[in-house]
Order: sequence, then structure tokens, then C-alpha cells
Amino acid sequence: EIVLTQSPGTLSLSPGEIATLSCRANQSVRSDYFAWYQQRRGQSPRLLIYSSSNRATGIPDRFSGSGSGTDFTLTISRLEPEDFAVYYCQQYDSSITFGQGTRLDIK
Amino acid sequence: QVQLVESGGGVAQPGGSLRLSCEASGFTFNTYAMHWVRQAPGKGLEWVAVISYDGTKKFYADSLKGRFTISRDNSKNTLFLQMTNLRADDTALYYCARAGTWAEAGVALDHWGQGNLVTVSS
Repeated sequence: EIVLTQSPGTLSLSPGEIATLSCRANQSVRSDYFAWYQQRRGQSPRLLIYSSSNRATGIPDRFSGSGSGTDFTLTISRLEPEDFAVYYCQQYDSSITFGQGTRLDIK
Repeated sequence: QVQLVESGGGVAQPGGSLRLSCEASGFTFNTYAMHWVRQAPGKGLEWVAVISYDGTKKFYADSLKGRFTISRDNSKNTLFLQMTNLRADDTALYYCARAGTWAEAGVALDHWGQGNLVTVSS
């Protein structure tokens, strides 16, 4: 099973700052099969990024994804108040697994 | 717009059964693979199962094999999850989610329902 480990567990930042979230896999994942999701409090997950770097429909361009192999990154530039949420990485290269999540808190 | 509405959750006793439903609208249901994903209270996301657009292929998380069955009725635009021999650690919010295409593998989940709570307790 591909295990995804996200870091940090919690990230405290202020609106307007840049957030960098990491996800590391215990084995290589093809870039086409990697995604990021946002889950706001009390809401369902929402697809942000698919195929490592493609924004889903309606996702603002302040969200960007990058990475390959075992290391992937979600970057949120110019944090907005609505961006404070939990973020999950996901691989769908070999079955489907999710990371444990990174909580982005307002500082 | 795409809508996925789950129902059928509730409280079940250990060893009991429940059947979840997910009614889809706003898209051509029979051209998309569909998934179930669950989230235990205060925990992360755990993938449960996927079914192909035509219902012929089904895949499950290894930890659940034999107890859960995914199915669909394309004539009613509805996805199902039959859960048997329920355990306390099956307690979770169960989401249905649409794959981005017809493919049951290699596709991200682009729309999610609001979730349906299943509580397993005596």
C-alpha cells in the first residue's frame, strides 16, 4: 500500500502569507495520479488539484501543485480567510490512499 | 449542477447491517465511475470502494473486503453501499463521490456528497 505522510500536521499563518504543504509517499507515484483536496470545517472535501498540478474547475490560481516521484507540494499564495481548512493529499496510482491531512490555521 | 445526496445512515448494532444510498443528479450518471469514501469522527479520509460506470467492475479497500458491497442502479441514478457485520470502527461519515470520468481507476474524485453518518454501537 502507498502510504502518504503530510507535513506539517498543523500550519499557522496569517491572511496574505504563503502556505507550503508537503506530502511524501513511501514509494513512487506517477504525477498524473496525484491530487489535493480541501475540507473546510463541517463541509465535504473539494478537489483542488489533480494530476499533481492541474487546478480543478473553479479553483483560484493562488492554488498550485507540484512534485513528482515521492514528494509533492501544494502552495497557496496570498492566503484568503476561506483558505483556512484541512488539506489532504491523495494518490490514485495504486488503489487510492489519502494522507492524514494538514490543518491550516489562522495565526 | 452536480448533486450527490446520501441517505440510509443511522445507528446499527455491532454485527448488524445498513444500506447506504446516494442519489445523483445534474450529470449523466451512467457515464461515470463512483466511489465511497469514509471519515471517522475527527479523523482523515479513507477510501472504501469504487464501481465502474456500468457496474461490471468493483474494487474495495483490502480492510473491508467481504463485508461491504458497492452497487448501482443506473436506471435510478443511484449508488449503494451494503454494509454487513458492522463493527464499532466502521463508525464514520460516509461520502459518495464521483470520479472525473468513466474510468474506475486513475481518476481523481471531482464531486462529493454531503456525507451520511453511520454509528455502530450497542
